[in-house]
Amino acid sequence: SAVISQKPSRDICQRGTSLTIQCQVDSQVTMMFWYRQQPGQSLTLIATANQGSEATYESGFVIDKFPISRPNLTFSTLTVSNMSPEDSSIYLCSVPWGSRKDEQYFGPGTRLTVT
Amino acid sequence: DAKTTQPPSMDCAEGRAANLPCNHSTISGNEYVYWYRQIHSQGPQYIIHGLKNNETNEMASLIITEDRKSSTLILPHATLRDTAVYYCIVNTGTASKLTFGTGTRLQVTL
Repeated sequence: SAVISQKPSRDICQRGTSLTIQCQVDSQVTMMFWYRQQPGQSLTLIATANQGSEATYESGFVIDKFPISRPNLTFSTLTVSNMSPEDSSIYLCSVPWGSRKDEQYFGPGTRLTVT
Repeated sequence: DAKTTQPPSMDCAEGRAANLPCNHSTISGNEYVYWYRQIHSQGPQYIIHGLKNNETNEMASLIITEDRKSSTLILPHATLRDTAVYYCIVNTGTASKLTFGTGTRLQVTL
């Protein structure tokens, strides 16, 4: 299985500021996904990040608010910009895994609270 | 991706089999049925997936009806550590994004 770490594990931030979340994988992967899980809710996909190309954002998510970097095949960052209390969520990255890349492994998540 | 319907919650006694149903009546021929679970405060964990044949691994069994419109995840001997939200997801598989529904909250009790 893939080993995925995220930093920070949790943070409390003031509104109007930005936070960059890191996702590190112990193996090279072409594709990474970023999800958001709002309190008491299910997971929602924010964007798909491929190395060497611009991230693809889902409806309702824009690059100015959630810029993503993918500098190499083991690392990605998600920035939550100009935060408001509504951005308080758990943010998770995941990667396709398995011989046919048909399973997904998730990081432990970053719990963000915006005050 | 096809939509899935799951009961919001279920209870199971420890040591008994937990049978979690899922309806996916609009599933397409090239779509797989996936199951993930999320234990409190952790990232989702892959459990099992299948196309049309029943599947079994060290964690669970997946039973898919012949018409593929529904499936059942079976945890043969549930333990307290199996308490989690279980998500049934339908998609085309390889490197595909996952669309999570509301899932079934399974509570395993003594």
